[in-house]
Amino acid sequence: GAVVSQHPSRVICKSGTSVKIECRSLDFQATTMFWYRQFPKKSLMLMATSNEGSKATYEQGVEKDKFLINHASLTLSTLTVTSAHPEDSSFYICSASPRDPQEDEQFFGPGTRLTVL
Amino acid sequence: AQSVTQPDIHITVSEGASLELRCNYSYGATPYLFWYVQSPGQGLQLLLKYFSGDTLVQGIKGFEAEFKRSQSSFNLRKPSVHWSDAAEYFCAVSGSARQLTFGSGTQLTVLP
Repeated sequence: GAVVSQHPSRVICKSGTSVKIECRSLDFQATTMFWYRQFPKKSLMLMATSNEGSKATYEQGVEKDKFLINHASLTLSTLTVTSAHPEDSSFYICSASPRDPQEDEQFFGPGTRLTVL
Repeated sequence: AQSVTQPDIHITVSEGASLELRCNYSYGATPYLFWYVQSPGQGLQLLLKYFSGDTLVQGIKGFEAEFKRSQSSFNLRKPSVHWSDAAEYFCAVSGSARQLTFGSGTQLTVLP
């Protein structure tokens, strides 16, 4: 099956620093990648949708200047949390959809646990 | 706007017992429906999906789900639960632009 990786799996940083999370589709080309945030005991909340080569579309309430998303290639999307604060601590999950527009399935990465001190 | 409700936050069953996890959705058109499982430290794994056709969908690991349009439901079932099934289960609905809306999840505990 299609595999999506995320790196790093865990990151701890100091308040005010920036953190970059990578999401890669390993064995398929992803025209669309999604970034989710998951709070403890909560559902996944869609943060943004990114299409290769174009600007990401952010969900209402998500600060695009704080959560920078780049989808530079068909296999890589990055999420940068800028000037991170403790309230940004969360579990961030990416997913990727294959090139075939008829395919509605998303393949999920294992997630990245961000802790901001 | 689309939404998904999973009324049971936590379910406990004994190993070997049957299981049903409830999911209700709200969506204007014919929905695409999914069940995912999330184990600690692992990504979401797709158990099954419904796009069209037969309303009883078979998935991996012995799971099945039935789409009932009249009840706006897509409940997940398994006839005999294994200890390895203990995990968090998410129901999701997909609308336009392939955006998934997830339910709040049901934590499954399996007793030996």
